[in-house]
Amino acid sequence: RKEVEQDPGPFNVPEGATVAFNCTYSNSASQSFFWYRQDCRKEPKLLMSVYSSGNEDGRFTAQLNRASQYISLLIRDSKLSDSATYLCVVGDSGGYQKVTFGTGTKLQVIP
Amino acid sequence: GAVVSQHPSWVICKSGTSVKIECRSLDFQATTMFWYRQFPKQSLMLMATSNEGSKATYEQGVEKDKFLINHASLTLSTLTVTSAHPEDSSFYICSARDWGFGNTEAFFGQGTRLTVV
Repeated sequence: RKEVEQDPGPFNVPEGATVAFNCTYSNSASQSFFWYRQDCRKEPKLLMSVYSSGNEDGRFTAQLNRASQYISLLIRDSKLSDSATYLCVVGDSGGYQKVTFGTGTKLQVIP
Repeated sequence: GAVVSQHPSWVICKSGTSVKIECRSLDFQATTMFWYRQFPKQSLMLMATSNEGSKATYEQGVEKDKFLINHASLTLSTLTVTSAHPEDSSFYICSARDWGFGNTEAFFGQGTRLTVV
């Protein structure tokens, strides 16, 4: 089983749609959770951290379920500029805080 | 926010030659940096953890003699791909965390696209 698993997609959605991505992780001792966005041939950039209580940033909502070892990202009112690959990232509890990336979920927002 | 600069952004080299990639933290000190590799349509895979002033820690399956890592200062880590072969062609990217920020966000360099011909 992969340490961090995501549906690779692609998710093709029309502008204005709501889309949700899921991610599961295998290490129950994981301490930190993030969603990163990666545009084609570019470096990943932090979209948002994920907290146990859930958190929202504009059109983006992230949820964490530690019991099920499950993370989600919800994007409302999709924009063309949201087209990218979304990476689920999980950090371990070690001293170096090593992070593990999911394979990413590709989103294509269609006009 | 913190910035990590990686150089070069792309390089083409002949098979058998060596390529050095630099990763610098511009406005913070990074005792630890991470080197990743990403093949097309695959996830970022951690290659090694670079520790300032000591030997790097390599992930399983990564040849330490082929991928030489040097972290001689708190702001610079280098990855040298020795005797490169076409199968080493990939996107290499470094990252570091600014612990002084009080968070655990990882900042990434721009990445280096290596093509070995």
